[in-house]
Amino acid sequence: GQQLNQSPQSMFIQEGEDVSMNCTSSSIFNTWLWYKQDPGEGPVLLIALYKAGELTSNGRLTAQFGITRKDSFLNISASIPSDVGIYFCAGHRGNNRKLIWGLGTSLAVNP
Amino acid sequence: NAGVMQNPRHLVRRRGQEARLRCSPMKGHSHVYWYRQLPEEGLKFMVYLQKENIIDESGMPKERFSAEFPKEGPSILRIQQVVRGDSAAYFCASSPPSRDEQYFGPGTRLTVT
Repeated sequence: GQQLNQSPQSMFIQEGEDVSMNCTSSSIFNTWLWYKQDPGEGPVLLIALYKAGELTSNGRLTAQFGITRKDSFLNISASIPSDVGIYFCAGHRGNNRKLIWGLGTSLAVNP
Repeated sequence: NAGVMQNPRHLVRRRGQEARLRCSPMKGHSHVYWYRQLPEEGLKFMVYLQKENIIDESGMPKERFSAEFPKEGPSILRIQQVVRGDSAAYFCASSPPSRDEQYFGPGTRLTVT
């Protein structure tokens, strides 16, 4: 099935560092959503993006909807240990309400 | 406002048995989605329902799997005659009528022995 290309696959950083991850597609998307999933739990919505070029922040998190509508990135500033987890991008194409997902970026933070 | 509720959280079934997974959406949400997740992978869409209607079941296997969202009560994902390959985490999400954000429950981890 169709999936988004999400990179990097994993990251290991020091506490306090900034983090950047992105998602790309060969198709145009109408919405981009970023989720965080902790082990044994469901994904938690972090940021939702609806317009090309939109830049949205949620605390230390910032995400942008790419101008071409084929990509999005998520930045985390000044990482802390509780940022550890798997971050997923997901999006909608056309009028279809089903979400298409990336494979996730696994983030590890060294205190 | 309670979040999306799923039960059971863990379910063990022997091959050939039936599995029933339940999902109660957030209050005010009339759209329900079911996704499946294998270890080390992203979520895969299965089905999208509104009250008493299946809107999109393009991700559902053609056999043994069914879903419903009755007028009253939770949404049910039903897997008949389970096989080992059905072992996975199954997540339910809900969204309000006019928004695209989907909010997820904690999932049901199905293990088929």
